Amino acid sequence: AQTVTQSQPEMSVQEAETVTLSCTYDTSENNYYLFWYKQPPSRQMILVIRQEAYKQQNATENRFSVNFQKAAKSFSLKISDSQLGDTAMYFCAFMKGSYNNNDMRFGAGTRLTVKP
Amino acid sequence: DGGITQSPKYLFRKEGQNVTLSCEQNLNHDAMYWYRQDPGQGLRLIYYSQIVNDFQKGDIAEGYSVSREKKESFPLTVTSAQKNPTAFYLCASARDRNNQPQHFGDGTRLSIL
Repeated sequence: AQTVTQSQPEMSVQEAETVTLSCTYDTSENNYYLFWYKQPPSRQMILVIRQEAYKQQNATENRFSVNFQKAAKSFSLKISDSQLGDTAMYFCAFMKGSYNNNDMRFGAGTRLTVKP
Repeated sequence: DGGITQSPKYLFRKEGQNVTLSCEQNLNHDAMYWYRQDPGQGLRLIYYSQIVNDFQKGDIAEGYSVSREKKESFPLTVTSAQKNPTAFYLCASARDRNNQPQHFGDGTRLSIL
């Protein structure tokens, strides 16, 4: 079974600075997908970024980028130029890459606070 | 606007009572999911449905039931057999069953009276 570990329950960062959230996962699969979701106080889960394991290039979405280290099974999220609106819970998620599968496994989350 | 609508936002259950949480999507997505979120934990999968009239148990299905009679709707019933139902419940959908990212509703918070 796949497990996803987020070792930082809480983090804080000053507005306009950069912060990195950690995520590691355990799998024997070679083909899979990784995701970061954001859950602001409104509680809606929002997809931030997605990475396909077969792609060596790290995914980027505006101020959000990932550092995907397949051999180390690490998938960290970097938020640049942090904004107050980035304050939220961030969840890392794993999906096995096979036909007929959308089953996602989530980490416990990291609560990020952006301070003015 | 396309999206996923969960209702109600807050729900209270009495002892021995069944309650049903609504989830409707107008995204024309094939797959739908129910998750439970407890404090300090990630999301845990209760049930999922990849196509109309078909659904599968997730990791924590005991005490819950679902139906998928229409593509747009995937209601979750929390039965009296679920002894610890207090949690935040999230519904999600995905375009199809093949490695598509899931999109979430705003959630329903269920509490025991």
